Amino acid sequence: GNSVTQMEGPVTLSEEAFLTINCTYTATGYPSLFWYVQYPGEGLQLLLKATKADDKGSNKGFEATYRKETTSFHLEKGSVQVSDSAVYFCALPEGGSEKLVFGKGTKLTVNP
Amino acid sequence: GAVVSQHPSRVICKSGTSVKIECRSLDFQATTMFWYRQFPKQSLMLMATSNEGSKATYEQGVEKDKFLINHASLTLSTLTVTSAHPEDSSFYICSAMGPGPSREQFFGPGTRLTVL
Repeated sequence: GNSVTQMEGPVTLSEEAFLTINCTYTATGYPSLFWYVQYPGEGLQLLLKATKADDKGSNKGFEATYRKETTSFHLEKGSVQVSDSAVYFCALPEGGSEKLVFGKGTKLTVNP
Repeated sequence: GAVVSQHPSRVICKSGTSVKIECRSLDFQATTMFWYRQFPKQSLMLMATSNEGSKATYEQGVEKDKFLINHASLTLSTLTVTSAHPEDSSFYICSAMGPGPSREQFFGPGTRLTVL
């Protein structure tokens, strides 16, 4: 079945640093890919998504490009803020299903 | 955007009691909802898929008699943890499948269950 492998972290950065969180996937076909963010004590929020190969999802300064050649969907942000401190999950649909398969999550802490 | 609520946000109960958690889609109808469990510092584990008007589909290893799911309307699914024990303490998150072709899941804010 479909799966994702995500950089586990934790990741600690200073404010305005560049962020990359790696995510690679294994999938049948070209399913949509997602990044979710979970702030402390809260549920998940969709951060961005890409529905087909070569698409770039972007939101709140975060970007991720659906790369079929490297089966990757790395999350990037050029200048992180303290408010970006959260856990980030890469996800994709389970093959032939509406269920989502999540990576293990990467905790990001941004220090002022 | 589509909003999903959960109630309560936090509950503490004694061992042996049952706890009901509600998941509501506030501004859309959801024929399909999902229930997840999240242990500290871990990813989400799908427990079951809840379909309106039919029995829930449970993931392997999840006790259906322990975690009762009822999806009685297009905007409400409930998860009842029966005879709760301390090992059931966890963060429970629901999601609702949104309308339209994208079939995007919208997540609730989660319910923190602590069983004493």
